[in-house]
Amino acid sequence: KNEVEQSPQNLTAQEGEFITINCSYSVGISALHWLQQHPGGGIVSLFMLSSGKKKHGRLIATINIQEKHSSLHITASHPRDSAVHICAVPLPTNTGNQFYFGTGTSLTVIP
Amino acid sequence: DTGVSQDPRHKITKRGQNVTFRCDPISEHNRLYWYRQTLGQGPEFLTYFQNEAQLEKSRLLSDRFSAERPKGSFSTLEIQRTEQGDSAMYLCASTSMDAPGYTFGSGTRLTVV
Repeated sequence: KNEVEQSPQNLTAQEGEFITINCSYSVGISALHWLQQHPGGGIVSLFMLSSGKKKHGRLIATINIQEKHSSLHITASHPRDSAVHICAVPLPTNTGNQFYFGTGTSLTVIP
Repeated sequence: DTGVSQDPRHKITKRGQNVTFRCDPISEHNRLYWYRQTLGQGPEFLTYFQNEAQLEKSRLLSDRFSAERPKGSFSTLEIQRTEQGDSAMYLCASTSMDAPGYTFGSGTRLTVV
């Protein structure tokens, strides 16, 4: 069983569409991260949030701690948003934090 | 400091050869993580350093894998006697105990032929 589940696995959208990617997790966490990985492999941190909602440009991330669910929304999607979007949760261990990752949502935005 | 650097970006090696990757974290970050990512999967945790101490190792880190962070700055990940199943993207990330947020490197893509 994965500690972090993402849906959908693949998503194709037309430019301008509103996009939602969902993440559910099964353990208690202090914060959740949304990451973006482009085809070259590099990962960029988009958001770290522990409650409520955060907005950065066309990207919005929300989290519901009670329901253990987070969503990443992209408004007015653009082809440059095409990437794998990954949900990650840091879980406390005996000696520090360890990240558990969702399998990612591969987003393709068609012009 | 422009972020977490990983070297090389790509490595093609023959099965059975040894390879070594390097990660240079953000200078003030005292925590460093190695992850492995295979196609279509999210990254999987390999190991974690706090300063020079290797505090955790995943079961994925077989005896062919070894990681070091000798001076608490850069880290190396060595794979001995590479196998085709080792082909993956190896990602490094760093963070600080004092400040939230992780920074990832661009990764080293290993192909074992």
